[in-house]
Amino acid sequence: SQQGEEDPQALSIQEGENATMNCSYKTSINNLQWYRQNSGRGLVHLILIRSNEREKHSGRLRVTLDTSKKSSSLLITASRAADTASYFCATYTGFQKLVFGTGTRLLVSP
Amino acid sequence: GAGVSQSPRYKVAKRGQDVALRCDPISGHVSLFWYQQALGQGPEFLTYFQNEAQLDKSGLPSDRFFAERPEGSVSTLKIQRTQQEDSAVYLCASSLGSPAYGYTFGSGTRLTVV
Repeated sequence: SQQGEEDPQALSIQEGENATMNCSYKTSINNLQWYRQNSGRGLVHLILIRSNEREKHSGRLRVTLDTSKKSSSLLITASRAADTASYFCATYTGFQKLVFGTGTRLLVSP
Repeated sequence: GAGVSQSPRYKVAKRGQDVALRCDPISGHVSLFWYQQALGQGPEFLTYFQNEAQLDKSGLPSDRFFAERPEGSVSTLKIQRTQQEDSAVYLCASSLGSPAYGYTFGSGTRLTVV
């Protein structure tokens, strides 16, 4: 079963706009990670945020974590067509495996 | 190697056939994971190895699924008597240590059972 649920399931924006996707999870976590998956490819690790952190930045990515609400958000600023992909959150609870959410499909149009 | 390598990239199997999927992790990566990803879904955990020891196989859906990593490097996921519901992408990932630091995934094997 999947720990996380992502919202929205699909998002369509224009190049240059910001994209925000949200992840909710069910149990306490050690950290939460975001991955990108291009069509037909494996997943690429984007960013990790620990349970004692509230916000983290990496390039055009900004991740927030609210452990009281068991939720996280991923913001991609100034999106590009190359950002078109599926994005998954994954939670690590300390039992040696990541549990993935259902994913958000992002389409960025030129 | 530079990344996690999986083979074959695509596999079509007739129902009832046995298949073997190979994963070659990054050299030196202690941890190896197998995930199953159905179309339009997130990856679902199958099994985890630390070196050659299979420490968690709680995600294997039935006794038709079997995984091994005999020398602590290359791993094989075997599915016996394949069924249509086994059609999915099978992803392998490796990590230096615990998943606390993120995984490196292979490109996956797309299995289609006809």
